[in-house]
Amino acid sequence: GDSVTQMEGPVTLSEEAFLTINCTYTATGYPSLFWYVQYPGEGLQLLLKATKADDKGSNKGFEATYRKETTSFHLEKGSVQVSDSAVYFCALIGANNLFFGTGTRLTVIP
Amino acid sequence: DTAVSQTPKYLVTQMGNDKSIKCEQNLGHDTMYWYKQDSKKFLKIMFSYNNKELIINETVPNRFSPKSPDKAHLNLHINSLELGDSAVYFCASSQAAEGPNEKLFFGSGTQLSVL
Repeated sequence: GDSVTQMEGPVTLSEEAFLTINCTYTATGYPSLFWYVQYPGEGLQLLLKATKADDKGSNKGFEATYRKETTSFHLEKGSVQVSDSAVYFCALIGANNLFFGTGTRLTVIP
Repeated sequence: DTAVSQTPKYLVTQMGNDKSIKCEQNLGHDTMYWYKQDSKKFLKIMFSYNNKELIINETVPNRFSPKSPDKAHLNLHINSLELGDSAVYFCASSQAAEGPNEKLFFGSGTQLSVL
């Protein structure tokens, strides 16, 4: 069945460091892929998305490219800020459902 | 205006009790969901309703019963609470004719603690 695997955290970085959170997926067909973010005390928010191979989603300095050949959708940011501290979820839509990864907690320290 | 609102935000109760979590959306969406987020932050769908009809019912104990009085509301009732029910429960909605699209709107979560 469809599934998403993302790297386990927690991840702790210093401000202005480079961020990568890995995400790979298993799906039949060509699912749409997403990154959601959950800030402390809040619900989930859509961060970015890509709907077909080679698409790059971007928002708030974050980017992720839909790689069909490696079935991956890694999240990257060139320079993280303290305000980026949150839990990040990779997700895909398949078979009438939205499948989430387990979430990766990011803590950015000044 | 809050798009998806769920109450209460925090719920602390003892084992064996029955409790309900309410969810309302004012977006005019057709589909509503309940997700459970466990202590490891894993999100798992529990139920999905489309126009008051159940369309997804994952393997969830019978103690959990969703109730949708109208398409703007999807409440979650839990009987005989157990320690393992402790988690954050998220309500969500989407405008989807058949299954979810990517525009899922989430509530802020209800943190349930069973003592």
